[in-house]
Amino acid sequence: QLQLQESGPGLVKPSETLSLTCTVSGGSISSSSYYWGWIRQPPGKGLEWIGSIYYSGSTYYNPSLKSRVTISVDTSKNQFSLKLSSVTAADTAVYYCARLGNNWNYDDNWFDPWGQGTLVTVSS
Amino acid sequence: SSELTQDPAVSVALGQTVRITCQGDSLRSYYASWYQQKPGQAPVLVIYGKNNRPSGIPDRFSGSSSGNTASLTITGAQAEDEADYYCNSRDSSGNHLYVFGTGTKVTVL
Repeated sequence: QLQLQESGPGLVKPSETLSLTCTVSGGSISSSSYYWGWIRQPPGKGLEWIGSIYYSGSTYYNPSLKSRVTISVDTSKNQFSLKLSSVTAADTAVYYCARLGNNWNYDDNWFDPWGQGTLVTVSS
Repeated sequence: SSELTQDPAVSVALGQTVRITCQGDSLRSYYASWYQQKPGQAPVLVIYGKNNRPSGIPDRFSGSSSGNTASLTITGAQAEDEADYYCNSRDSSGNHLYVFGTGTKVTVL
């Protein structure tokens, strides 16, 4: 059974860079059938897609975050990572990683499974 | 970029049927997927595609779509179905960008 687990600091200072890693177990991140994604949820608010990556390194980012986001993949460790620079209090959220599935023509897409999420607080 | 709009909250009597809707231009081109999120837990996929349920999701959950609106229906709602529900689809730009709906809080009375 595929499982994803987020890891990284729970507290980041304003203006610094948030760094998280998602470790995939029970399956290979190099599967050609899937992308891998990051999603966040500020306390008491809704879900926001941050970005996605393919095992080859192709990335897609939310335009609203694109200037500050970098997602990378390490197939040797079966991990993918998120870096968000110049953070402010508005970046305080639970950050989730998830596998992104799709059908042959990409008109059907779904995030499944999800990691348990990790709360990152931006505060001095 | 696209937006997906959901009603903030709906309520349903135990055992009755509730429909949750999601509206957005991207739904004219792309299917919606639906997620259930209970307090303090990660979202769980309940419906994707035309009307597909992942393994383990009860058949009281079903999905449909028409025009710019996707719907999630719970037929015979149970107390454990009380949760937040989010829709999701690709952005209408045609790029591999994604957007989540605003979320609907379902209360089972």
